[in-house]
Amino acid sequence: EADIYQTPRYLVIGTGKKITLECSQTMGHDKMYWYQQDPGMELHLIHYSYGVNSTEKGDLSSESTVSRIRTEHFPLTLESARPSHTSQYLCASSSGGSELRQYFGPGTRLTVT
Amino acid sequence: AQSVAQPEDQVNVAEGNPLTVKCTYSVSGNPYLFWYVQYPNRGLQFLLKYITGDNLVKGSYGFEAEFNKSQTSFHLKKPSALVSDSALYFCAVRDIKVWTNAGKSTFGDGTTLTVKP
Repeated sequence: EADIYQTPRYLVIGTGKKITLECSQTMGHDKMYWYQQDPGMELHLIHYSYGVNSTEKGDLSSESTVSRIRTEHFPLTLESARPSHTSQYLCASSSGGSELRQYFGPGTRLTVT
Repeated sequence: AQSVAQPEDQVNVAEGNPLTVKCTYSVSGNPYLFWYVQYPNRGLQFLLKYITGDNLVKGSYGFEAEFNKSQTSFHLKKPSALVSDSALYFCAVRDIKVWTNAGKSTFGDGTTLTVKP
């Protein structure tokens, strides 16, 4: 079983607050990803990283930012949360090379009131 | 429990020929079904989904998929393959009851599609 963790699992926060969603993996994977998913709906890639100090924006425009200072850590930050940010956020990682399968974290369900 | 099977690790087709990437699923209730594509060094990219309604679903880049409840299948198809379609394709399922399995999708292991000129 994959070792990828996300905290918090659930977060309810007021408009305008700054929040950071944490994602860590202990598998030494170079590639990490953040997806946004509304209930019953598909995943949309919002950020990805090939390795330390490498980050790219994904297919879905997002007001969030990410950083990759350490291989195992890929936090996502919202400087000023809004109700439109209410969603589930899934972190994933993959080793790359011939192993392309992505391992998903449990997700953070964010509600902005 | 929910599960997905993609029986083929690799599918090879010639450009211009029709392609099919197979997917079968298992859920306790009714399914939401998804297809994603992953190009090298990119994350998953959504192609199409089945939620309810017409069993034939049309998606991005000319892809379509047919939901077959009796065969519990959701095969991805395209009438005429392009070399640029070469990528890794993932099928995913989640139970329509959002609270089941915490509303998470289960992904297949992926099928590598290679389209040769």
